[in-house]
Amino acid sequence: KQEVTQIPAALSVPEGENLVLNCSFTDSAIYNLQWFRQDPGKGLTSLLLIQSSQREQTSGRLNASLDKSSGRSTLYIAASQPGDSATYLCAATHDYKLSFGAGTTVTVRA
Amino acid sequence: NAGVTQTPKFRVLKTGQSMTLLCAQDMNHEYMYWYRQDPGMGLRLIHYSVGEGTTAKGEVPDGYNVSRLKKQNFLLGLESAAPSQTSVYFCATHRGGGEKLFFGSGTQLSVL
Repeated sequence: KQEVTQIPAALSVPEGENLVLNCSFTDSAIYNLQWFRQDPGKGLTSLLLIQSSQREQTSGRLNASLDKSSGRSTLYIAASQPGDSATYLCAATHDYKLSFGAGTTVTVRA
Repeated sequence: NAGVTQTPKFRVLKTGQSMTLLCAQDMNHEYMYWYRQDPGMGLRLIHYSVGEGTTAKGEVPDGYNVSRLKKQNFLLGLESAAPSQTSVYFCATHRGGGEKLFFGSGTQLSVL
């Protein structure tokens, strides 16, 4: 059974600082890994998807890396802004199903 | 997400009552999923479907049933609600082939 862990559970940084969010998974036989953003009371929005054959994906200020052999993915958010405050979840796909981490709640202080 | 619509958005049930949650998508996606989200536990898969007329059990299927009679709709049923089913329920869909997942806005369910 795939176990996905996100540490820390919460993070508070001043505006402008770079964010580093960690995700680890126990079974390296994944199809892809996705990072999502969730705002309070809302659904999840996909930010980045990394296929198992890829090492990283970039979108604007966001960059996600994937190291299957070590079972880790990292989401980098450059020059954080108050609008980046949200919960970020990662999910590993295996056999049509996604296994989610519990998320890291980020607060960016103005 | 405009492409995935969940109804209702909120519901309060008494123990033993039944209800159905509806997920409707207009993106012609094959794969549909029902998740529940509880504090500190992330999202857990209840049931999923890989196409019209198909359903399969996920991680926590007990106490729930599903149906996918039409490609665009995926229904989640609670036959006899229990307080342990108090949660936020999310529907999600994707095209397949490792494409990204699209979520509905969720249903907040409380069972008293």
